[in-house]
Amino acid sequence: AQKVTQAQTEISVVEKEDVTLDCVYETRDTTYYLFWYKQPPSGELVFLIRRNSFDEQNEISGRYSWNFQKSTSSFNFTITASQVVDSAVYFCALRGQGGSEKLVFGKGTKLTVNP
Amino acid sequence: KAGVTQTPRYLIKTRGQQVTLSCSPISGHRSVSWYQQTPGQGLQFLFEYFSETQRNKGNFPGRFSGRQFSNSRSEMNVSTLELGDSALYLCASSLGDRGGYNEQFFGPGTRLTVL
Repeated sequence: AQKVTQAQTEISVVEKEDVTLDCVYETRDTTYYLFWYKQPPSGELVFLIRRNSFDEQNEISGRYSWNFQKSTSSFNFTITASQVVDSAVYFCALRGQGGSEKLVFGKGTKLTVNP
Repeated sequence: KAGVTQTPRYLIKTRGQQVTLSCSPISGHRSVSWYQQTPGQGLQFLFEYFSETQRNKGNFPGRFSGRQFSNSRSEMNVSTLELGDSALYLCASSLGDRGGYNEQFFGPGTRLTVL
């Protein structure tokens, strides 16, 4: 069975603080894919990044960075110098091998950035 | 390129009725997946259709069904509605042909309320 755990239910920070969202996953598949999505108050899920299980290279994109570690089954997401517009619910998701597009989502972390 | 569209955006039904939700994927995308989002259970996978065939199915009762047309548009149907079916129903589309590496693009969702 596949499982994604986001232990942080809610995080509140002040603008310009850095914030890291944690994600731990479980899967028996040797090939799998990890995703982060953002859901602003409007409700539409917005794709942020994907990683496959063979690509442990971490990446920085603007104010966003990701830390993928297979040894600890973690795929954490960091926002540097947070802004009010970053306020949203962030979901980590896992897709296993097998050809289907099915995503298994974590429960989400609600991030509130206060001015 | 137009995004994923879902109709209707809001729906109010009473227990025992049935409902049909519609999803138009991004042009060129052949995979359409449906998810149910509730405060208690989070985001849960309902089913995926690829080239008019159901490719995967989540753990939902038979009251939930779907189909996909030759133009990739998809519908999902819920019969004999229950109060617990109140949720945001999200549709996602993707190319569906890269062995799991595709990102899914989500529509704005249909908010279903069952009274």
